[in-house]
Order: sequence, then structure tokens, then C-alpha cells
Amino acid sequence: KNQVEQSPQSLIILEGKNCTLQCNYTVSPFSNLRWYKQDTGRGPVSLTIMTFSENTKSNGRYTATLDADTKQSSLHITASQLSDSASYICVVSAPTGNQFYFGTGTSLTVIP
Amino acid sequence: DAEITQSPRHKITETGRQVTLACHQTWNHNNMFWYRQDLGHGLRLIHYSYGVHDTNKGEVSDGYSVSRSNTEDLPLTLESAASSQTSVYFCASSENTLANNEQFFGPGTRLTVL
Repeated sequence: KNQVEQSPQSLIILEGKNCTLQCNYTVSPFSNLRWYKQDTGRGPVSLTIMTFSENTKSNGRYTATLDADTKQSSLHITASQLSDSASYICVVSAPTGNQFYFGTGTSLTVIP
Repeated sequence: DAEITQSPRHKITETGRQVTLACHQTWNHNNMFWYRQDLGHGLRLIHYSYGVHDTNKGEVSDGYSVSRSNTEDLPLTLESAASSQTSVYFCASSENTLANNEQFFGPGTRLTVL
């Protein structure tokens, strides 16, 4: 069964600290993996996209990694800011049409 | 700037009522999607459309319907609202059927069925 699992479910960190969010998936075949950020009361917004041939991709203080062999991805946030408080959702897509598989998200809270 | 909007943002209705949630995008995207988001389940696909007059069922389509009469709009109708349909609903659009295309999400509609 195609699944996407994220950990931890929630995380609280101090402002300025780094953190890493995990995403494990069983989707096969695999086309790409996206990380979305969802602020409270808003729709998700794409942070990064990675295809199976990419290992690392950065977007400012956000760095995503992908190991297609072990079907694992991580999102590393450097020097966290209060505005990083949000839910982070991992989405894996298959190569055909509308096959998007969503994780349940990690809720990140950054405290001063 | 192009955008995707949803209305209403909040809706309270009673069991058995018909409810329609609007979704409008100005990206001129062919693909449009409806999801519901509940605690512990993440985003689940209700219906999707690849173009005008095309509609398809997602994994949780029972009790919902959509119609696509133009490129910009994909209204979601709850035929007879049930308390189990209390949720936050998100509409999304994307450019074409390629799996690596980004989905752009609307701000969501919070629906409460009493």
C-alpha cells in the first residue's frame, strides 16, 4: 500500500535553533517528492520539489534531502524563526496523472 | 497576480442541507482538485478535474459532487450534509497532468455541520 509517514508528529524548538523533519514513503513507482508549508488557517505552499535523481535541494533556510533507495526524505530548517511555526507536509507523487500521496504533517512551533 | 480563491471561508449548516463550496482560480490551470483535511488524516482527495466537463472521483467522494463548466471554477456540492463532513476543505489547481507540477492551494473553507 502506498503510504507517506512523517515524524515527529509535533515539535517545539527555541528560536534560532535548527531542526530536522522526517518523511518515509512506500510509494512506488515514484516521480517526485515535495515539502509544503502550511501556516495556520492557510492553504499549503510548496517549499521544495525533488525528483528521484536529486539528493539535496535548498530554499533559503530550508534544505531537503532525499534517499530514493531507502525511500526517506528530510527537511532541515536552519536558524529557526518564529515565522517557521507551521505544519510541514510531505507529498509524494507517482508518475501517472493525479496520484499524490500526502503525509499527515509535522506541526512545528518555534518559541522565543 | 493569478490566484485561487474559495468562498465562503466559514460555513455552518444543518444536517441534511445541500451546501455548495466555491473555488475560483485565475491561473488558467487545466487541473483542479478538492481535498478535505481532518486531524490525523492529512489531506484526502475528494474529486478532481483535468479540464472542462471532466470530473473524477477521489478516495473520499461519497456524498460529494462537482461540475466543471469552465476552466476557472470547480464548485463542490454536498448533496445532503452530514456531521461526518465537518472539516476544512481545500481547493487546488495545477497546470497539467505531469506529476511534477506544483499544486496551488486556496485558503480553505471551514465547514461545520450541526
